[in-house]
Amino acid sequence: AQKITQTQPGMFVQEKEAVTLDCTYDTSDPSYGLFWYKQPSSGEMIFLIYQGSYDQQNATEGRYSLNFQKARKSANLVISASQLGDSAMYFCAPLPPGGYNKLIFGAGTRLAVHP
Amino acid sequence: DAGVIQSPRHEVTEMGQEVTLRCKPISGHNSLFWYRQTMMRGLELLIYFNNNVPIDDSGMPEDRFSAKMPNASFSTLKIQPSEPRDSAVYFCASSLDSNVNSYEQYFGPGTRLTVT
Repeated sequence: AQKITQTQPGMFVQEKEAVTLDCTYDTSDPSYGLFWYKQPSSGEMIFLIYQGSYDQQNATEGRYSLNFQKARKSANLVISASQLGDSAMYFCAPLPPGGYNKLIFGAGTRLAVHP
Repeated sequence: DAGVIQSPRHEVTEMGQEVTLRCKPISGHNSLFWYRQTMMRGLELLIYFNNNVPIDDSGMPEDRFSAKMPNASFSTLKIQPSEPRDSAVYFCASSLDSNVNSYEQYFGPGTRLTVT
């Protein structure tokens, strides 16, 4: 079975600083892409960013960027200039190749941004 | 545009009762997913449909759970009979998928189910 590892159950960061959330996945298939989602305390799941497995460059979306290292099977989320509203749970989910978007989510990392 | 709509938002029921959760996906999306989230097990995929057809129901915990998608704009997840261990937040999500390309899933607000 596919295994997704988010090694940091909780992270703290000072407002305006950058923070990196780790995600590694265990699969022999190099075709996997990866999603990151955010879940604030209100409970909704919010799509943040996607990295295609064959994208030449790391994905970037505003203050979010991915440090995608396919050989290491890791796709760490970098949040620059943290804001108080970034406090939330963050989940990574590898995307299997071939469509039919069956996502298996990691256990998540709880990020707390301090003023 | 309206996002994924789920109802009810909260449901409290007694053990043994039937519970039906409802979902309306985003118009034009052809894949629909049901997830369950608990503290112990995290976010689990229960079942997903593509073009109203169930593709993978391997995550459905047991026969007490059933899901249907009678048309492109409506799906239900039914638990009969319900048990206290079914207490969780149930999310519905939709996306635009094919057997070649996949896109991000958009989640509904969830239904918080409490079985006493």
